[in-house]
Amino acid sequence: QKEVEQDPGPLSVPEGAIVSLNCTYSNSAFQYFMWYRQYSRKGPELLMYTYSSGNKEDGRFTAQVDKSSKYISLFIRDSQPSDSATYLCAMSASNYQLIWGAGTKLIIKP
Amino acid sequence: EAGVAQSPRYKIIEKRQSVAFWCNPISGHATLYWYQQILGQGPKLLIQFQNNGVVDDSQLPKDRFSAERLKGVDSTLKIQPAKLEDSAVYLCASSGSGTSGGSFLEQFFGPGTRLTVL
Repeated sequence: QKEVEQDPGPLSVPEGAIVSLNCTYSNSAFQYFMWYRQYSRKGPELLMYTYSSGNKEDGRFTAQVDKSSKYISLFIRDSQPSDSATYLCAMSASNYQLIWGAGTKLIIKP
Repeated sequence: EAGVAQSPRYKIIEKRQSVAFWCNPISGHATLYWYQQILGQGPKLLIQFQNNGVVDDSQLPKDRFSAERLKGVDSTLKIQPAKLEDSAVYLCASSGSGTSGGSFLEQFFGPGTRLTVL
C-alpha cells in the first residue's frame, strides 16, 4: 500500500462547477499537507499549504484536512478552463521530506 | 526573481549510453532536490542537497546515477549507463531560503528534462 493514494482521473467537469480533489494517507505522522498544480510540460507549483487539521481558503481554492480520517481535499469554486492541470497532493512529517500522490488530471470544459 | 533553470529540456538516447542534466536553482536557496517523475506518477525524490552536502540519497540508484552540487549552487545529475526504465521527466527544485519549516515545504520547480531511452 502506498503512503499517499490519489485517484489519477481524469476528472472532467463543465466550466463554473465546483471541483473536489482528494487524497488519503496512511502515515499518522504527517502534519504538513500541500497541494501542487502541474501544467503540461511544466514543473509543479505550490497552490496551498496547511499545517495539521482544519480548513484554509485562498480565493477560489479551499484546502481541508481531516487527520482523524487521514483524508485531505482541495475544492475549486467557479472552475475555469485555466484550472485544467494535474493536481498533486504532497505530505510531510517533521522531517520536511515530501511524500507525493500520483496526481489527478483535471479537465475543465468551456 | 528568476526561477529554477534546467537544461536540456529534452534528450533522447540509446540504452547503455550516458546522459547529464544541469540545474541552476533560485539564487540564495540552500536546498536543492532532484526528482524523477514517470508518466502518471508523482515525483520521486532521488537526492537532496543542503548547500553542497547530501541530506538524502536513499532512493538514488547509485550503481548508475550520480549527482553533485559544486560550490553549493549549480547541480548536475548523471546517468551512466541508461536503462529503458529511466525514461522519465527529471525535475530539479530548490527551497529553504529561510529558517522556518514552511520555507522547506515550498519547493520551486524547474520545467524538467524529458528523457527518452530507446
